[in-house]
Amino acid sequence: QQPVQSPQAVILREGEDAVINCSSSKALYSVHWYRQKHGEAPIFLMILLKGGEQKGHDKISASFNEKKQQSSLYLTASQLSYSGTYFCGTEPEGGSEKLVFGKGTKLTVNP
Amino acid sequence: NAGVTQTPKFRILKIGQSMTLQCAQDMNHNYMYWYRQDPGMGLKLIYYSVGAGITDKGEVPNGYNVSRSTTEDFPLRLELAAPSQTSVYFCASSYPPGPRGNTIYFGEGSWLTVV
Repeated sequence: QQPVQSPQAVILREGEDAVINCSSSKALYSVHWYRQKHGEAPIFLMILLKGGEQKGHDKISASFNEKKQQSSLYLTASQLSYSGTYFCGTEPEGGSEKLVFGKGTKLTVNP
Repeated sequence: NAGVTQTPKFRILKIGQSMTLQCAQDMNHNYMYWYRQDPGMGLKLIYYSVGAGITDKGEVPNGYNVSRSTTEDFPLRLELAAPSQTSVYFCASSYPPGPRGNTIYFGEGSWLTVV
């Protein structure tokens, strides 16, 4: 089952914050976040495991609510370099050899 | 390390032709994957492999074939190309799932157009 991402697109001005959500109808073991710039390969950002841990990298952080099977990616004080499409990939409980990716959220940061 | 290397980067095929997309990784990953990406649709898994000699279908395997004779290489074969196979193809690899989950490393992509 493909996870559902929201919003589909968001436009920010430099310095503003954004939240991207990823929801699944299945019990999850982990949620992965990737960013893809136009014409390039997706780049790994972070993994969140079952247990509700929150992770952060610079001004990008994420949380995983295992009760809701939902993960949120937080981008604070956005920079121009944050522009791109963000994908979540979900791994079902019990583990799996493969991730199922959402359709992506296109983030545009303007000066 | 070169990571995951895909060739060719761009290719135009005529309907009915066949071709092979090459993928190689030098990270000694057991797991390898082929995804296709269509505009606005995210990444769809075509085939994956958990080790040499072992392959399995993903979400959208029709029209494709794979083989995995070595740990390093995982070619994707398109037989009788159709316009619906116009897409961007990504090869990827990872370590086996474990307590920390499995991070997937992607190649740079292959843009395929079928006319």
